[in-house]
Amino acid sequence: DVKVTQSSRYLVKRTGEKVFLECVQDMDHENMFWYRQDPGLGLRLIYFSYDVKMKEKGDIPEGYSVSREKKERFSLILESASTNQTSMYLCASSSWWGPTGPERMKNTEAFFGQGTRLTVV
Amino acid sequence: AQSVTQPDIHITVSEGASLELRCNYSYGATPYLFWYVQSPGQGLQLLLKYFSGDTLVQGIKGFEAEFKRSQSSFNLRKPSVHWSDAAEYFCALKSGFQKLVFGTGTRLLVSP
Repeated sequence: DVKVTQSSRYLVKRTGEKVFLECVQDMDHENMFWYRQDPGLGLRLIYFSYDVKMKEKGDIPEGYSVSREKKERFSLILESASTNQTSMYLCASSSWWGPTGPERMKNTEAFFGQGTRLTVV
Repeated sequence: AQSVTQPDIHITVSEGASLELRCNYSYGATPYLFWYVQSPGQGLQLLLKYFSGDTLVQGIKGFEAEFKRSQSSFNLRKPSVHWSDAAEYFCALKSGFQKLVFGTGTRLLVSP
């Protein structure tokens, strides 16, 4: 089974702290994603990465950065945590999607971790 | 811009009754569409997906969804709901370059 593992289920941090959320996947997936989930807003994409050292901004990248030094690991960084970053954070991974490429990559989906509930006080 | 709309924030269904959750999308090309379920305190689990071909897609746990291009819809259905189906359901669209865009979710409540 595909496994996406987030390093913490619950975190409490103070305003102004630098926070690292770690995500590891074991399926050799090219794509990795960070979302935040808030009531009534669904899942909003913060950043994603389609290859090592490659990253793309999602819809709400402000206040966040990411790092992907190894294919299996994708880190979300809050440079200076603020109370409005209190949220559930979900990591996901998938194979490369698209109409071209190997058949095994055309018919796939994203797999999610269990989430990290971050509280900034 | 690509988007997914789930117009129902909450739905309450009696156990044993049928269910339909609505999903509308906006996308200029042939979409890749997904339905995920999230139980309380859990991550998201894939129910089913549509990439091409047959517009009626079967998924896990007795769910199905129908892709209707003319209506830009991908509604999720189940003929008989069980109490364990109570959860939050998300429709999603593969959008642009390797991105996955989600709707705001529909919370399903199941009454006895």
